[in-house]
This record gives sequence, C-alpha cells and structure tokens, in this order.
Amino acid sequence: AQSVTQLDSHVSVSEGTPVLLRCNYSSSYSPSLFWYVQHPNKGLQLLLKYTSAATLVKGINGFEAEFKKSETSFHLTKPSAHMSDAAEYFCVVHTGGFKTIFGAGTRLFVKA
Amino acid sequence: NAGVTQTPKFRILKIGQSMTLQCTQDMNHNYMYWYRQDPGMGLKLIYYSVGAGITDKGEVPNGYNVSRSTTEDFPLRLELAAPSQTSVYFCASSYSMGDQETQYFGPGTRLLVL
Repeated sequence: AQSVTQLDSHVSVSEGTPVLLRCNYSSSYSPSLFWYVQHPNKGLQLLLKYTSAATLVKGINGFEAEFKKSETSFHLTKPSAHMSDAAEYFCVVHTGGFKTIFGAGTRLFVKA
Repeated sequence: NAGVTQTPKFRILKIGQSMTLQCTQDMNHNYMYWYRQDPGMGLKLIYYSVGAGITDKGEVPNGYNVSRSTTEDFPLRLELAAPSQTSVYFCASSYSMGDQETQYFGPGTRLLVL
C-alpha cells in the first residue's frame, strides 16, 4: 500500500536561512511525487513534481526537491527562506487514477 | 482564467440542516474532485468525477452526494449535517487522471456544523 509521511508538523526558520521539509513515502513501485503549498485561506498550489525524468526537481519560488529511492524520501529544500514562504506544505503521492495520497502537512514559520 | 472557484467561503450549519457547496472550473477539465481537510490531517477524497454525468466515491463518501451535469460544475451536497462534517472542503480539477497530472485547487469552503 502507498503512504506518505511528513516528518515534521511544524518547522520554524529565520529569514535568509535554509529550509528543509522532510517527506518519506512508501510505494510498491515508483510513484509520482508532488509538493503543494497552501497559503492561508487559499487553495493548494503546485510547487514541483517528480515524474522519473530527473531525481533533482526544481520548482517555483526557488524550491527544489530530491528524489532518493534508496531512502524513499522526497525532501523539499530552499537555500534562503523569505517571509512570503510562510505557509503549509503538503507532500503528495499520486499512483494514478484517483489514488492521490496527501501527507498531513508541514507548517513553515519564517521569523524576521 | 479564474481557475477553480468555490462558494461559499464560510458557512455555519445546524445539525440536520442541508446545504450545497458549489464548485466551478473554467479550464475545460474533465476530471474534478472533492476533498475534505481536517486539522492535522492530509486531504481525503470524498467524490470524484471523470466527466459530465459520471461520478464515483472516493475514500470518505458517507454523508455526501455529488452530481455533474456540466463539465464546469461539480456541486457537493450535504443532506443531514453532522458535527463530524466540520471541515474545510476543497474542490479540484485536472486535465487527466494520469499519475503525473497536476491538480488545480479552489480556495476552499470552511464549514462549521453546530
């Protein structure tokens, strides 16, 4: 069975410091992996997605994620946090059809 | 393009009341979805539709109904509201259901059942 675990419910960083949001997945085959961001009172917006073309995926707003099959991880990173990055981030596994599995979310706080 | 729009933004219901959450998309997507998001949890799929006139149950369909008479609209109906249905509801759409397909989400409807 497929599953996704976001290892931190909350992450707090200072503006200008790196961001790391951790995601592990479980799948019987290579899934498609996504990161979505949800700003307050907004819908989810796609940040980036892994679709087996390249293990390092670059997304919008300077975010990137690396697919590591040996570690079953798909962690999201950004070299330098900005105040506007404060939001909730969801790691998502999509196995086709309607089988979309969302992680519980990680709320990112950015301190001035 | 407005994308995916949802109304209302917020609603308070009494136990036993009914209501319809509206969802409209202008991207000509065949595939549409309804999710609920509970605190500290990921989104759970309630119902989905692969085209006008075709709907199917997702992971948590009990207490809800849907219809899809047009490509654009996918309303979600709560017949007898219960406190367990207090949640944030998101409508989404996509061009296909392939595993690489991006879903586009509306801003959500926050529902409180008292």
